[in-house]
Amino acid sequence: DAGVIQSPRHEVTEMGQEVTLRCKPISGHDYLFWYRQTMMRGLELLIYFNNNVPIDDSGMPEDRFSAKMPNASFSTLKIQPSEPRDSAVYFCASARQSNYGYTFGSGTRLTVV
Amino acid sequence: KNEVEQSPQNLTAQEGEFITINCSYSVGISALHWLQQHPGGGIVSLFMLSSGKKKHGRLIATINIQEKHSSLHITASHPRDSAVYICAVSLFGNEKLTFGTGTRLTIIP
Repeated sequence: DAGVIQSPRHEVTEMGQEVTLRCKPISGHDYLFWYRQTMMRGLELLIYFNNNVPIDDSGMPEDRFSAKMPNASFSTLKIQPSEPRDSAVYFCASARQSNYGYTFGSGTRLTVV
Repeated sequence: KNEVEQSPQNLTAQEGEFITINCSYSVGISALHWLQQHPGGGIVSLFMLSSGKKKHGRLIATINIQEKHSSLHITASHPRDSAVYICAVSLFGNEKLTFGTGTRLTIIP
């Protein structure tokens, strides 16, 4: 298995632009998580899905952020409009079932200028 | 107060030394995870524990549920062990992880 695949690896965009981050979880994994990592706040959960259904989106900062999982093999995290404070590394992770190990993607480093 | 506290925040040691990183948490958990992140790199899951002890190569993780405490040990440390080690917990009925602030480990040759 290729693991959790995220794209792009790096994204530089101008303030106000729309940004879409993509994630392909490991086949057969029921859970998909979006995390954000910054120097100031460390790792924090944005949203997670179980069987493609959003379960907890309490970490989504504001309405500018949205996430979808149209099928078991694909999820997107969209920021519109982007702001400099959104600059961070965004990680996607997947897990097979409750309390099985997590597998993280390589992350997308987003820079908003 | 953070639900997950790690110590030390930074640790520098000589190659070959025995390393211990500690994690304390304040709530009931269903599992505790130890993660490793190399500089500029992705996150790798090292262990998931709900009781007792696990060992993988030179790494050992222990957990004491009653004391709400876990330790990660590295025997015969090596410069390639230099990384940030992150403790995270998952709560009963909730699959999301709550993270500690990480321990930055540097092993000097």
